Amino acid sequence: EVHLVESGGGLVKPGGSLRLSCAASGFTFSSYDMNWVRQAPGKGLEWVSSISRKSNYIYYADSVRGRFTISRDNAKNSLYLQINSVRAEDTAVYYCARLVDDYLFDYWGQGTLVTVSS
Amino acid sequence: EIVLTQSPATLSLSPGERATLSCRASQSVSGYLAWYQQKPGQAPRLLIYDVSNRATGIPARFSGSGSGTDFTLTISSLEPEDFAVYYCQQRSNWYTFGQGTKLEIK
Repeated sequence: EVHLVESGGGLVKPGGSLRLSCAASGFTFSSYDMNWVRQAPGKGLEWVSSISRKSNYIYYADSVRGRFTISRDNAKNSLYLQINSVRAEDTAVYYCARLVDDYLFDYWGQGTLVTVSS
Repeated sequence: EIVLTQSPATLSLSPGERATLSCRASQSVSGYLAWYQQKPGQAPRLLIYDVSNRATGIPARFSGSGSGTDFTLTISSLEPEDFAVYYCQQRSNWYTFGQGTKLEIK
C-alpha cells in the first residue's frame, strides 16, 4: 500500500527557514516524479514544486521560485522541501503527492502545517 | 497561466439527488482535466482523469464530461459520504486547480 508521510512543519517567523520531509513507502519511489502542493487555511489547492525521478527536472510555482528548493533522496525514499525567507502567505498545509501520467496526483500524504507568524 | 473557474461555489442538495459541478478553463486544456474530492481534515483524492475516466475504486455514480474549456462532474445520486469539496485540475500550463465547489447537505 502506498504511504506518504510528511513531517517538519511548525511555527516559523517571517524571514525564517524550515525543511519539510516526505517519507514514501509501498512503491518504487525512484520510478515516480514527486510534487509538493499546499493549501492555505480555508483556501484551495496550489501546486508548489515538482521534481523528476532522477532530479534532473525541477520546477517551481512563480510564488515560491527563488525561496523554495525541492530535492529527493531515492536511496532513502524521501522527498524534501527547503523553505527559506518565509512569508505570511506561505502559511498552509503542505502535501507531498505522487505524480502519474504527467499531471495526476494519485497519492497524497496527510500534510504538514506550516504557520508563519511573529 | 490557465485559470480554472468552478461553479457554483456552494451546492446544497439532499442525498439521492443529482449533482452537477462545472469547471471552466480560460483556454483549452486539451483533455487533461482531472477532478479531486476533499473531505475536511483529509488530503484530496483523485476521482476523474482525462475528463471522463474514473480513478481506481471510484464508484460509477461519479462521471465526468466536457471538452475544450467546459467540463462537468456529475454525481448521479448523492450518498452521504459524497458531501465534500471538489476541485478540478489541469496540466496544459503547469498544474493549476479550480477554487473548489463545496457540496453540502441541504
